[in-house]
Amino acid sequence: DGGITQSPKYLFRKEGQNVTLSCEQNLNHDAMYWYRQDPGQGLRLIYYSQIVNDFQKGDIAEGYSVSREKKESFPLTVTSAQKNPTAFYLCASSLRAQENTEAFFGQGTRLTVV
Amino acid sequence: AQSVTQLDSHVSVSEGTPVLLRCNYSSSYSPSLFWYVQHPNKGLQLLLKYTSAATLVKGINGFEAEFKKSETSFHLTKPSAHMSDAAEYFCVVIPTGNQFYFGTGTSLTVIP
Repeated sequence: DGGITQSPKYLFRKEGQNVTLSCEQNLNHDAMYWYRQDPGQGLRLIYYSQIVNDFQKGDIAEGYSVSREKKESFPLTVTSAQKNPTAFYLCASSLRAQENTEAFFGQGTRLTVV
Repeated sequence: AQSVTQLDSHVSVSEGTPVLLRCNYSSSYSPSLFWYVQHPNKGLQLLLKYTSAATLVKGINGFEAEFKKSETSFHLTKPSAHMSDAAEYFCVVIPTGNQFYFGTGTSLTVIP
């Protein structure tokens, strides 16, 4: 079945540690996105990538980093510089960023800093 | 500037009664518009989309939305609410491609 897979579903991190969230898609989509969701704030864009080896900062990129070495993979690293990383993280992809097509979402990763 | 506003953060309806979730957008161009649904601790699922074809769009699970350019609105409706409709709903706009702009969401409660 085609889709987007995020792993792990739940993640706990100690303060001061970096952690990487996985996002893989087998939809052959060009564009991929990372969003952060906090209660009452909707979804906020962290990073997005329209093509392999290229990505752009979204609205809240500070404290995060990404890579896009393969078309199907877009991992997100939450660094120790992110002041308040506890949140629900959603990965999405779309066929082409310029063609107004819908986004397909993974099931999310809930990150908790302990 | 592009933006999308969901006018109600919470909506409660009784089971079997109509649902109305309101969304207004601002865009310099004819945008693409979407409604997504999110159940607790899950990803977002596409309900329906408008991409400049018919102004009345039918989606999954009996939902539909009407694009009204003169009112810059894209309200989501359903004739009869079901308990399984209880969830968070997001209105999303793509002004001209490239980025998705999300509303802050409307939480729908269905009262038995």
